[in-house]
Amino acid sequence: DADVTQTPRNRITKTGKRIMLECSQTKGHDRMYWYRQDPGLGLRLIYYSFDVKDINKGEISDGYSVSRQAQAKFSLSLESAIPNQTALYFCATSDYMNTEAFFGQGTRLTVV
Amino acid sequence: SQQGEEDPQALSIQEGENATMNCSYKTSINNLQWYRQNSGRGLVHLILIRSNEREKHSGRLRVTLDTSKKSSSLLITASRAADTASYFCATALSSNTGKLIFGQGTTLQVKP
Repeated sequence: DADVTQTPRNRITKTGKRIMLECSQTKGHDRMYWYRQDPGLGLRLIYYSFDVKDINKGEISDGYSVSRQAQAKFSLSLESAIPNQTALYFCATSDYMNTEAFFGQGTRLTVV
Repeated sequence: SQQGEEDPQALSIQEGENATMNCSYKTSINNLQWYRQNSGRGLVHLILIRSNEREKHSGRLRVTLDTSKKSSSLLITASRAADTASYFCATALSSNTGKLIFGQGTTLQVKP
């Protein structure tokens, strides 16, 4: 089983719809991240969380919200999806020592 | 703007040649990491170098870090077609904010 599991893997949604991307990890790590990847722009940090009581905005948090339901679960929501949120979304986890991050396989989101 | 910037953006070489990718960053770091991404897939950790280290090796990979120049390089020796992928540097900031910030990546093509 994968260390970090993202669901769904692919999603097409309409403009204005609310959508949630889910992430769960089995590494037992405290830190979890949501990134967005666009061609030519690399990965940009949306939100990150140190633990269930700690949520922090990243570089591009506008239009997104997150929920840390448990140590192992970190979900990303788009309250009202817009076409420029079409991207590949990655969840990741790392330990408190900032050692290697483990990534999920990504969610390809298309907003039409 | 991104913490890390990579150079070149794209690199095409023949199998057996060496590939060198560079990463520059802006603020003090705790460590710098390199990741690999096969097309559209999740990122996989390759190697981590701490701020008090200058060089590190792992198999055919050699990473250097120059904190005075705020730069790092990744050398892949004796490249193989299977090395074709995108390579990203990521910095863990010394302020220990928990952020792991990625560069824009270098796309490497190794021709058989």
